[in-house]
Amino acid sequence: EIVMTQSPATLSVSPGERATLSCRASQSVSSNLAWYQQKPGQAPRLLIYGASTRATGIPARFSGSGSGTEFTLTISSLQSEDFAVYYCQQYNNWPEAFGPGTKVDIK
Amino acid sequence: QLQLQESGPGLVKPSETLSLTCTVSGGSISSSSYYWGWIRQPPGKGLEWIGSIYYSGSTYYNPSLKSRVTISVDTSKNQFSLKLSSVTAADTAVYYCARHVRDIVVALGWFDPWGQGTLVTVSS
Repeated sequence: EIVMTQSPATLSVSPGERATLSCRASQSVSSNLAWYQQKPGQAPRLLIYGASTRATGIPARFSGSGSGTEFTLTISSLQSEDFAVYYCQQYNNWPEAFGPGTKVDIK
Repeated sequence: QLQLQESGPGLVKPSETLSLTCTVSGGSISSSSYYWGWIRQPPGKGLEWIGSIYYSGSTYYNPSLKSRVTISVDTSKNQFSLKLSSVTAADTAVYYCARHVRDIVVALGWFDPWGQGTLVTVSS
């Protein structure tokens, strides 16, 4: 079973700055990785799939990269609505598994 | 626009069976392109995939919950359902349903969109 880890647990960023979030898999998941955003009291929202393909309606400031075991979600210029928890999820091996999340809060 | 809505009791007693239904609107659950899944999130914690179902009734479950989980589908009502037996306090969580978009090559996939979620508390 693949274990997903994310770092840092919390990232404090000022509006307008770049945020870089990391996700690591315990073994290779190729490019079969998704990213989600979850705001308090809301369901997760798909941001990225295939490690780097933005989902429909997702702004271009969100970008994903990586393959194998190391992945990155970059938010190029943080907007107020981007402060949230971000989860990665692998779907290369059964069972699909989520990481523990990274909280992005206001510095 | 596809929408999903969970429904069911918000309180379940220990050792009993949790039952939830997800109603899909704005699209057909019988689409050949998708599975339909359940994911849960204990309060203040991360996400756990529970299991998924195809409109034909084909299912696959997280092995950590497989012995207690049953997912079924009712295409006539555009709904799918979750049953989790022998619940304990550890099963207290927000339960989400979602469309499970499977990658053609690996036959596993991501979840989009999600229902708003429903909190189920296990307590006597």
